[in-house]
Amino acid sequence: SQELEQSPQSLIVQEGKNLTINCTSSKTLYGLYWYKQKYGEGLIFLMMLQKGGEEKSHEKITAKLDEKKQQSSLHITASQPSHAGIYLCGADQNLVGGGAQKLVFGQGTRLTINP
Amino acid sequence: ETGVTQSPTHLIKTRGQQVTLRCSSQSGHNTVSWYQQALGQGPQFIFQYYREEENGRGNFPPRFSGLQFPNYSSELNVNALELDDSALYLCASSPPPGTSSNEQYFGPGTRLTVT
Repeated sequence: SQELEQSPQSLIVQEGKNLTINCTSSKTLYGLYWYKQKYGEGLIFLMMLQKGGEEKSHEKITAKLDEKKQQSSLHITASQPSHAGIYLCGADQNLVGGGAQKLVFGQGTRLTINP
Repeated sequence: ETGVTQSPTHLIKTRGQQVTLRCSSQSGHNTVSWYQQALGQGPQFIFQYYREEENGRGNFPPRFSGLQFPNYSSELNVNALELDDSALYLCASSPPPGTSSNEQYFGPGTRLTVT
């Protein structure tokens, strides 16, 4: 079965600094999703990547999927307190059948922003 | 906020009891997926319902079962509760296959505590 490993598991940065979170898959990624979660709440969709080499940006957050499609990174520029939370990467397990994706997730990266 | 709602918000049960969790999908979405998220971990895929039938299942025992209704809302039932079932249960709804969005919209979750 596919496994995702995120690094680091936790991260504390000073407001205004840049940071990167990595997600490494044990198998080829057919679709890689980044979500943000506030403690004990639901997941908020950030971005989805499908093609090797693909890069997407939204506001100050940029996500990339490497050419070999087994690793993704999430980069935040000039971090703000609103960026604090748990970041999760999820991969489509590409199981057979219709319907929607059946995602496997990494363990999450807890991001703290210090003023 | 997404249009996905879950009830109840919190629940405390005793080991051996049975529990039913409910999820209302976003309007127009015909697929519902259920995930279990233990404290400090990423969500784990339980199963998915598509057009009122189970469409994919993760590594969970048969005492985890579900239903999807004609209005696409869904229930997750867990029998013979164990202490390790304590977790945040998330449901996610998705639009019909072939629509432009691949996104899964997550609800706020139900926090289940088994004592």
